[in-house]
Amino acid sequence: RKEVEQDPGPFNVPEGATVAFNCTYSNSASQSFFWYRQDCRKEPKLLMSVYSSGNEDGRFTAQLNRASQYISLLIRDSKLSDSATYLCVVNRGGGGNKLTFGTGTQLKVEL
Amino acid sequence: DTAVSQTPKYLVTQMGNDKSIKCEQNLGHDTMYWYKQDSKKFLKIMFSYNNKELIINETVPNRFSPKSPDKAHLNLHINSLELGDSAVYFCASSHGDNQPQHFGDGTRLSIL
Repeated sequence: RKEVEQDPGPFNVPEGATVAFNCTYSNSASQSFFWYRQDCRKEPKLLMSVYSSGNEDGRFTAQLNRASQYISLLIRDSKLSDSATYLCVVNRGGGGNKLTFGTGTQLKVEL
Repeated sequence: DTAVSQTPKYLVTQMGNDKSIKCEQNLGHDTMYWYKQDSKKFLKIMFSYNNKELIINETVPNRFSPKSPDKAHLNLHINSLELGDSAVYFCASSHGDNQPQHFGDGTRLSIL
């Protein structure tokens, strides 16, 4: 089983739609969780950290379920500019800030 | 202004050559990293340094040698380049444990 698993997509959605991505992780000792966004041929950029209580940043909402070991990202009112690959990222724990990246979920927002 | 900067952005060279990639961060972070993203877009950590000290070495061939002259710089030297080394190499930095990492814009290495 991969340490971090994501549906690769692509998710093709119309502008204005709500879309949700899920991610599962295998290491129960994982301590911190993030969503990153990566545009084609660009560097990964931090979208948001994910907290146990769930957190929201504008149109983006992240949830963490430690018992089931999954993380979700909800994007409301999708914009064309949201088209990118969304990377689920998990800190393995054990020191060293060792992050494991999922292979990413591709989102395409269309007119 | 750039927080994490890498040079060069593109590197095209022949098999067997030795090359270096430089990375600098001006964020005041104490930990820096090197990642490799291959053609399948899988991003994998190679090395991590905290205050010039190696703390992560992810089973990378010893042809790859990182060097950190100070906590703001982490360079990567690669000896005897092979075709399989073709990838995008990203440098990143963070404040420490459980903190998000900030990435440079990558070095695209192509081996002929």
